Amino acid sequence: SQQGEEDPQALSIQEGENATMNCSYKTSINNLQWYRQNSGRGLVHLILIRSNEREKHSGRLRVTLDTSKKSSSLLITASRAADTASYFCATYSSEYGNKLVFGAGTILRVKS
Amino acid sequence: DTAVSQTPKYLVTQMGNDKSIKCEQNLGHDTMYWYKQDSKKFLKIMFSYNNKELIINETVPNRFSPKSPDKAHLNLHINSLELGDSAVYFCASSQVRQGGNIQYFGAGTRLSVL
Repeated sequence: SQQGEEDPQALSIQEGENATMNCSYKTSINNLQWYRQNSGRGLVHLILIRSNEREKHSGRLRVTLDTSKKSSSLLITASRAADTASYFCATYSSEYGNKLVFGAGTILRVKS
Repeated sequence: DTAVSQTPKYLVTQMGNDKSIKCEQNLGHDTMYWYKQDSKKFLKIMFSYNNKELIINETVPNRFSPKSPDKAHLNLHINSLELGDSAVYFCASSQVRQGGNIQYFGAGTRLSVL
């Protein structure tokens, strides 16, 4: 069954604003990852956060993980039109046979 | 150089035909995957090979048969194509023991069954 669920399903913001996407999952995990998919392209890995970490930064990206609530959020600060894409969370768990299980994704549109 | 390359990029075919999609990775990874992304963008794993050995085989019709001639290649053959097979198929690779299974994806093959 699908592990991760994301909200919102779609998000539309102005350039320069911050974008926040949330992901919830159901079981214990080894790590949680975020990927970006531009239209018509493959997924690109953005950031990985381990189960014993609470927050991680990479450039304009900030990821938090709350294992007690089984949830994560991805914050993109000072968004740009080039950030327009679909964003997916994916969980990696030995309970799921060492495979990544992806959420349904959030479609982000950044208007210039 | 493209890290994970899959061919063809587009595949349009009639119901009942047999088709193959090829994937190659030059990252030296030991594990490769096939995913199916449906029209709602939901991405679901189909198969995974580790060093040419099948390790993940999800509930997929047996019309789908993966083949891994070596750890750098993973092909997908589909027999008797059906309308519901229309989707985008992604190949990916990873080095599972290092880096927490970060996966590298190909650009996808858009399959349209008419």
